[in-house]
Amino acid sequence: AQKITQTQPGMFVQEKEAVTLDCTYDTSDQSYGLFWYKQPSSGEMIFLIYQGSYDEQNATEGRYSLNFQKARKSANLVISASQLGDSAMYFCAMESKLTFGKGITLSVRP
Amino acid sequence: EAGVTQFPSHSVIEKGQTVTLRCDPISGHDNLYWYRRVMGKEIKFLLHFVKESKQDESGMPNNRFLAERTGGTYSTLKVQPAELEDSGVYFCASTRWTGNTEAFFGQGTRLTVV
Repeated sequence: AQKITQTQPGMFVQEKEAVTLDCTYDTSDQSYGLFWYKQPSSGEMIFLIYQGSYDEQNATEGRYSLNFQKARKSANLVISASQLGDSAMYFCAMESKLTFGKGITLSVRP
Repeated sequence: EAGVTQFPSHSVIEKGQTVTLRCDPISGHDNLYWYRRVMGKEIKFLLHFVKESKQDESGMPNNRFLAERTGGTYSTLKVQPAELEDSGVYFCASTRWTGNTEAFFGQGTRLTVV
């Protein structure tokens, strides 16, 4: 069985600063992938970044990077230079049936 | 390329009534997933289709929920009879392959049972 754990309470960050959103996972699969999605107040789910378990480098997509520590089973999302538009819910998810964590609310302060 | 579309976007029904939600995945995407998010809680997996076959329906809460994907194209999720606890946002997502691929989500259907 797969499990995603996101335990941080609501997170706050000052505009232009970096923030790390935590995600730990559990799986018995040898090969797997991890996603991060953003859900703004409008409700849509926006894909941010993907990390494969055999990828040698941490994934990066613009201001988003993933701090993947396989031995610790963690896949933390790092958002650099936060913007007001980054305020949203953030979900960590694992393939193959896209098991989701409960999400983290991020609020960016001006 | 059209994205994943869901309709209706909102539905308000009375307890005991029937509602059918529809999801049109991206053309050519074999995998289709249904999820539900109850207000303030986590996103729960409901089921996964590969083409027209149910690959995994372990998340379906009870037999009041019926999902179909005739011909491996669009999918419907019927709730009959609806109960108050069925209220939430129902998301559909599709992927071309299973694994190592981005999932594209629809906008969701907000279901309110009163």
